[in-house]
Amino acid sequence: ILNVEQSPQSLHVQEGDSTNFTCSFPSSNFYALHWYRWETAKSPEALFVMTLNGDEKKKGRISATLNTKEGYSYLYIKGSQPEDSATYLCASTHPNYGGSQGNLIFGKGTKLSVKP
Amino acid sequence: SQTIHQWPATLVQPVGSPLSLECTVEGTSNPNLYWYRQAAGRGLQLLFYSVGIGQISSEVPQNLSASRPQDRQFILSSKKLLLSDSGFYLCAWVPGGSRNEQFFGPGTRLTVL
Repeated sequence: ILNVEQSPQSLHVQEGDSTNFTCSFPSSNFYALHWYRWETAKSPEALFVMTLNGDEKKKGRISATLNTKEGYSYLYIKGSQPEDSATYLCASTHPNYGGSQGNLIFGKGTKLSVKP
Repeated sequence: SQTIHQWPATLVQPVGSPLSLECTVEGTSNPNLYWYRQAAGRGLQLLFYSVGIGQISSEVPQNLSASRPQDRQFILSSKKLLLSDSGFYLCAWVPGGSRNEQFFGPGTRLTVL
């Protein structure tokens, strides 16, 4: 059984704080690592897709890194704002999982709350 | 541009009643389609996926079934709901053969009483 773990489960920070979360995924037969942002009452929205060891991606104040050899990814948020409050999901894809391309294995997410 | 629709948005059903949730995608052809569920306190769990009309694969044994009667329509059903079927159901699509990001629908909140 392939498992994706995220930590912490929840996080409460003050506006302006920088924060980071961890995603651990199976390193064998790995294809891609996805980060999604899921706001309450909305659909999950893709942030990043990374495939290569050492990949770093950035979108505004949010960035992510990938280590495929040890099976982890970090998501960083610089200068958190109240609008960053959401659940951040990570998911990995593996060629042999589910017999189909593109099948994602999701973690349980990290719920971030940013207080003004 | 592509859009994905799900309905209904919310549903409250008694135990033992049937279920039908619908998902449709516009603006693309031959997508891979997915049904996920998030139960209370748990992560997103893949329930079914489909790579084409009439082709359904199930990831976990359960009380639910799925069908894909048309290229851009994906239906989740149950003959008799259980309390444990409560949760948030999301439909998603990705271009056929792609391993890129999936695009999610707005979801259906199902409460079984």
